[in-house]
Amino acid sequence: DIQMTQSPSSLSASVGDRVTITCQASQDINNSLNWYQQKPGKAPKLLIYDASNMEIGVPSRFSGSGFGTDFTFTISSLQPDDIATYYCQQYDNLPPTFGGGTKVDIK
Amino acid sequence: QVQLQESGPGLVKPSQTLSLTCTVSGGAISSGGDYWIWIRQHPGKGLEWIAYMYYSGTNYYNPSLKSRLTVSVATSKNQFSLKLSSVTAADTAMYYCARGRSGSYSAMDVWGQGTTVTVSS
Repeated sequence: DIQMTQSPSSLSASVGDRVTITCQASQDINNSLNWYQQKPGKAPKLLIYDASNMEIGVPSRFSGSGFGTDFTFTISSLQPDDIATYYCQQYDNLPPTFGGGTKVDIK
Repeated sequence: QVQLQESGPGLVKPSQTLSLTCTVSGGAISSGGDYWIWIRQHPGKGLEWIAYMYYSGTNYYNPSLKSRLTVSVATSKNQFSLKLSSVTAADTAMYYCARGRSGSYSAMDVWGQGTTVTVSS
């Protein structure tokens, strides 16, 4: 299975800050990467697919980039509603696998 | 708009078989070329992809669970199901059903709310 390594595992930032999360794949996955947001007690929500494409209805402050093995997820201006855990997920090889998650909260 | 709802027993005894059902509303499970997916999340942990079912009946199982896993679709009931045999405490988790985005298994764009399963005697 492809291993997905996310960092950091948690972060605390102020409202309005730029937040960056990285995800590294154990092998080349092209652009076969998605990002999800999971709020406490809720199911994950798809935010970004194919590394950089925003799902319909997702605020424009969320973005993704990367190709190959290294990927980045950015919140351009952190909002209180963004408190959640964020996961990357590869689908280049079966089975799809997820990163360990990054818990984001407000400082 | 498609919605998903998981159902099943909250408590299963060790060595027994876990059976879960996902009911699809707002669309027919057998139309549109959709993939139907099961994912689980161990308490306080990350996400584990379990299996997919294509509307035509083609399945894929995570090799880590394949020997214990059966998934199926009941088109007349607009449901798909998961059966996991010989469960242990390691199968205690929140189980989610989901739909693959745009006729692919690559991303999950609709999720159920999840159902908690505890394996305990």
